[in-house]
Amino acid sequence: QVHLVESGGGVVRPGGSLRLSCAASGIIFSTYAMHWVRQAPGKGLEWVAIIRNDGGYEYYSDSVKGRFTISRDNSKNTLYLQMNSLRPEDTAIYYCANGYRELEGWGQGTLVTVSS
Amino acid sequence: ETVLTQSPATLSMSPGERVTLSCRASQRGSSDLAWYQQKPGQAPRLLIYGASTRATGIPARFSGSGSGTEFTLTISSLQPEDFAMYYCQRYDDWSLTFGGGTKVDLK
Repeated sequence: QVHLVESGGGVVRPGGSLRLSCAASGIIFSTYAMHWVRQAPGKGLEWVAIIRNDGGYEYYSDSVKGRFTISRDNSKNTLYLQMNSLRPEDTAIYYCANGYRELEGWGQGTLVTVSS
Repeated sequence: ETVLTQSPATLSMSPGERVTLSCRASQRGSSDLAWYQQKPGQAPRLLIYGASTRATGIPARFSGSGSGTEFTLTISSLQPEDFAMYYCQRYDDWSLTFGGGTKVDLK
């Protein structure tokens, strides 16, 4: 049974930075592509980024490209999202999820609030 | 960039009824189409992938169909625990796209 736990959310000022983590258990982490997906308050789901199982390839939505960096440490079964130059419109619950073409398991999410 | 349009935005239904949700893609692509259920305060849950394959543990009353640009999620007999938001999602060339969602609520 996959278990994903996000952490690192909080309140940050516009232009600031934050690093999210996602600890995985119950799966062979190194065999799965991993994603970040976000959901603004009261809104739908928005895909953010994907990283290949070996960390050798990553891809981003246009809304975060150049500002966010996805990475992983397979020795620690952990996924990361480095978020720089944060904007108010980045305010959302951020979920990590495992899978490639579809998202098999999801964490409970961590809330990021960008506000002055 | 593919846009996924879900309709209707809201469905007001009664327990036991048959429910049909639609997801239309703006352009043809893969059949890597998935459906998720999300309840308030919870993370989404994968229901269907590959347009028609039920995920592990998903009841048989949930079924998916479609190809090309038209996809459908059907709940054969709505149960009280099925009132929720439903999202479709497609995979194309390393990126995912979500539809705007359909809310199934109690009539």
